[in-house]
Amino acid sequence: GAGVSQSPSNKVTEKGKDVELRCDPISGHTALYWYRQSLGQGLEFLIYFQGNSAPDKSGLPSDRFSAERTGGSVSTLTIQRTQQEDSAVYLCASSFLTGEWETQYFGPGTRLLVL
Amino acid sequence: DAKTTQPNSMESNEEEPVHLPCNHSTISGTDYIHWYRQLPSQGPEYVIHGLTSNVNNRMASLAIAEDRKSSTLILHRATLRDAAVYYCIPLRGGFKTIFGAGTRLFVKA
Repeated sequence: GAGVSQSPSNKVTEKGKDVELRCDPISGHTALYWYRQSLGQGLEFLIYFQGNSAPDKSGLPSDRFSAERTGGSVSTLTIQRTQQEDSAVYLCASSFLTGEWETQYFGPGTRLLVL
Repeated sequence: DAKTTQPNSMESNEEEPVHLPCNHSTISGTDYIHWYRQLPSQGPEYVIHGLTSNVNNRMASLAIAEDRKSSTLILHRATLRDAAVYYCIPLRGGFKTIFGAGTRLFVKA
C-alpha cells in the first residue's frame, strides 16, 4: 500500500511568512511524529500524536510552531513568522502501536528554505 | 529517556562484515532496542529491533549484551548501498522517540 506522503516536497519562503507542511500517514496508523533535520545534523523530535491522547509537544522549539492532526489521520505542521534558522528538512513518520514496540515509517520530507 | 553512545563514524570495505556498536547503559527493562538507518537524502528506515535475544532478519543481525547495556548491529557483507547513518534507539511503544547523532558508515569499494 501507499507509504507516508508529505507535501510540498520543497518550500521556499521569505522570512516572516507563515508556512504549512502536510503529512499523510499510512492508513490505520495511530501514531504520528514530526521531526526536523538541519543540514548534516541528526533528527530533532518536534511533536508526537498517539491516538486520541493529548499530543506530546515537548520538542516544539518555540510558540511559532504548532501542529494538529485532524480525524486521527492527516497532520499539518504550521510555522508562523518563519526565521532563517527554521530552514531544514521536516520529516513525518507514522506507526501502529503493537504492544510495547512500534516501527516508524518515514515520509520523504519537506525541504524548507527561509530566505 | 535512555541515552545512547555511538561512534561518530566508521569505515568498512565492501563485502566485509561491519559491527556497529551502541552503548545504552540507562536503558529501562521494557525498552526495545531499535536500529534505523538513513540513506543520503532519504528519511530513516527501520532495520531491526530486539529486547533480550539476538535477532536476525534479511537486512542485518542484532546482538544484545546479556545485561542489555549495549548492542551491536551486524551487517554481514557491507555493500556500497549500506553507506548511511545508523541510529540505535531504545524505544518503548507509546512514548516519543529520540534519535541521537548516529554512526555514519562509509563503505569503500
